[in-house]
Amino acid sequence: NAGVMQNPRHLVRRRGQEARLRCSPMKGHSHVYWYRQLPEEGLKFMVYLQKENIIDESGMPKERFSAEFPKEGPSILRIQQVVRGDSAAYFCASSPGDRALQETQYFGPGTRLLVL
Amino acid sequence: AQSVTQLDSQVPVFEEAPVELRCNYSSSVSVYLFWYVQYPNQGLQLLLKYLSGSTLVKGINGFEAEFNKSQTSFHLRKPSVHISDTAEYFCALTGGGNKLTFGTGTQLKVEL
Repeated sequence: NAGVMQNPRHLVRRRGQEARLRCSPMKGHSHVYWYRQLPEEGLKFMVYLQKENIIDESGMPKERFSAEFPKEGPSILRIQQVVRGDSAAYFCASSPGDRALQETQYFGPGTRLLVL
Repeated sequence: AQSVTQLDSQVPVFEEAPVELRCNYSSSVSVYLFWYVQYPNQGLQLLLKYLSGSTLVKGINGFEAEFNKSQTSFHLRKPSVHISDTAEYFCALTGGGNKLTFGTGTQLKVEL
């Protein structure tokens, strides 16, 4: 029973390049969440998606960041024109669609982005 | 607005000693509370959760936590720690929506 999968695990980009982070939720889960962990800090919510819908993007920076969760395939977090301040660990979590269970989120191993 | 406070950034403890990691929260609505553990360079693993019912919640690896509504606390405890418990522990809540609000974490360091 595979857990939440994220790839790549490590990503190095130069300033100005694009970063694409992928997340495959647990089998049977239809809700996906993205969080960012800056060095020496806790996790901060970025965005919450269901298939083909963005439910809550209140934690997303207004520019350069976007997220999608298409009908087929993984969820993608895209960061355009990366800057050094984007260096962080990005975690994806998923939860079931069942309303009685959706409060519990299961996390992937994270993608560690380093911007040079 | 909701918030989670973990006052202790680091907690050193000797092996086989008991430990308590403190968590206080603030919310204007009913909340669900969680403790996650993060080992170095890994993702977060769910330790335990409080959704409703009994205020004493037992989790994996011998950890337990008690929900105290009057004190708005959800402290994590273990009666006897092991070296392998060395990790970062995060308290989190959700309420009125699905996004988790995390505390800043407590680094538990178990020493021989």
